[in-house]
Order: sequence, then structure tokens, then C-alpha cells
Amino acid sequence: NAGVTQTPKFRVLKTGQSMTLLCAQDMNHEYMYWYRQDPGMGLRLIHYSVGEGTTAKGEVPDGYNVSRLKKQNFLLGLESAAPSQTSVYFCASSYSRRAGKQFHEQFFGPGTRLTVL
Amino acid sequence: AQSVTQLGSHVSVSEGALVLLRCNYSSSVPPYLFWYVQYPNQGLQLLLKYTSAATLVKGINGFEAEFKKSETSFHLTKPSAHMSDAAEYFCAVSGAFNEKLTFGTGTRLTIIP
Repeated sequence: NAGVTQTPKFRVLKTGQSMTLLCAQDMNHEYMYWYRQDPGMGLRLIHYSVGEGTTAKGEVPDGYNVSRLKKQNFLLGLESAAPSQTSVYFCASSYSRRAGKQFHEQFFGPGTRLTVL
Repeated sequence: AQSVTQLGSHVSVSEGALVLLRCNYSSSVPPYLFWYVQYPNQGLQLLLKYTSAATLVKGINGFEAEFKKSETSFHLTKPSAHMSDAAEYFCAVSGAFNEKLTFGTGTRLTIIP
């Protein structure tokens, strides 16, 4: 049971380049999330998904796109990277229907450190 | 709408001393509250959670937190700090059946030998 995994761990991009971050979870969770973490700002929600094929905007969605084609995977895309997108990106998942939990404890991946030059 | 305020972005305590990290919340519905810990270069790990059962919640590594509705607080404490407690701590709030968490800005805990 690997939990939540993220690929890659590190990446350096030039302004204008594109890339995709992959998140995978093996806990059969319904919900998945992408956050960015910047010094002094805590975690800010970029996009999230409450089920396969559905996505929604979070607090800071501009410049990012996401897809959830398979329940276990949640992809975060940067079409044209900007220096302001230099950050650490975390994926998280929560909510198992079988567990029937009302409260949404989130499980986090190890993060991807992205630098945009 | 929900929000969380963590007082003190940096806290330093001596090894063996009491750890107190403050969290105040605002919620229009009964809240569920969480404390997460982040060690350097790692993801977030759940320390403890309040889900409307006991108001005093015990977590991992000797931490506990008390939900005080009258003060809208959920402060994190540990009686005796250990060097391994050095990390960043995040308070978060959610409502029942709310799929999103709202995080505070974090408190970096430093332990002085």
C-alpha cells in the first residue's frame, strides 16, 4: 500500500514550457486535490475532484488545468509555465465510500518541487 | 465559509518544555478540525483530528488538542518537547460533508537544545 505518490519529485522549467504532474493513490479514495505551498502562505487549493471525470476550481486555479480520467490518478498541467508558479506542489486524497466517513481527513503525497526560470 | 488563524508563524521552545501552538477557527457550521505536521522536505501527516466526539483529542507523538467552542480555538499542546518535534504544523478546518479543508498559514516549531 503506497498511499499517495507523486511524479516527478523535482523539476526545473523555463518560462513558457509546459509540463504535467502526476498523482496516484491506491486507497480507492473518491476525492483528490492539488495544492501549492509557498512560504508564509500555507497550502492553497488549486483544483480538486470529487470523482472520476469531474473536477472543480479551488482557490488559485489560474494557469493550471487538471484531469481525472481514472479514479486513482489526478493530473495537474501547466500549459505555459511562469516564474510565479515556482512552488512545492502537493497532491492529496480523501474519502472512502466503504469507510463511510463524514469527515474528510486528507492523505498527502511527498510533494513535487517545481522551479520556473 | 470557514477560516483558520494560526498565531505565531515561528515558535521556539527548549527541549523538555511545554509546546503550545495556537489555532483559532471561524466556521458557519459545526467544524471538524485537524492538525497536520510537516517534517522538512516531506508531505503533511495527520497528527490528530476533532470530529464532534470528545473535546480533548489525543494524537500521535504525545500531542493533544482541546476543542473550545466558546473560544473558537483548537490549540495544540505537548507537555515536553523533543528535538524530533521540530517541524511545521498546520491547523485545518472543514465542515461535515464538506469535501474541502481550509488550512492555516502554518507555525514553524524550533526546539532549542
